[in-house]
Amino acid sequence: KNEVEQSPQNLTAQEGEFITINCSYSVGISALHWLQQHPGGGIVSLFMLSSGKKKHGRLIATINIQEKHSSLHITASHPRDSAVYICAGIGGKLTFGQGTILTVHP
Amino acid sequence: DTGVSQNPRHKITKRGQNVTFRCDPISEHNRLYWYRQTLGQGPEFLTYFQNEAQLEKSRLLSDRFSAERPKGSFSTLEIQRTEQGDSAMYLCASSLEAGEGYTFGSGTRLTVV
Repeated sequence: KNEVEQSPQNLTAQEGEFITINCSYSVGISALHWLQQHPGGGIVSLFMLSSGKKKHGRLIATINIQEKHSSLHITASHPRDSAVYICAGIGGKLTFGQGTILTVHP
Repeated sequence: DTGVSQNPRHKITKRGQNVTFRCDPISEHNRLYWYRQTLGQGPEFLTYFQNEAQLEKSRLLSDRFSAERPKGSFSTLEIQRTEQGDSAMYLCASSLEAGEGYTFGSGTRLTVV
């Protein structure tokens, strides 16, 4: 069993929709990264969270330490948001979730 | 500082040859990580360093793989006697301690033919 579980694996949305990707993690992980990877592209760190909530533009990330759960929200989604979104737990090295393939249609 | 730099960007090699990749981290980052990503999969951890000390190695890192960070700055990842299954994107990342400022390089894509 992976220490970081992510859902859904695939997500399709229409432009403008509100999107949520969920991540649950196990003991030993002190913080989470949310990462974005475009096809054939490099990995970009969107957020690092150890508590509370962070916002950057249309992206919002929250984390609940007690429940060991984090969510990434995208408001007013756009086709350029189409990418793989990965949550990764920090406990020394990164432990990656399986990734969520997001496709936003115009 | 231009971020985490990896060289080469692409490497095609014949099975059985040795290859070496280089990673230059962000200069003030004392942690450096190597990951491998195959097509359609998420990254898999290989190894990481704090300064020049190699703190953890994955079981994925067979005895054909070796990584060094001799002066606590750049790192090299060598694969000896390459196999077709080694074909993947090899990603390097660096951070401050506790994961602050985690930054990925663009990766080195290895193709073993």
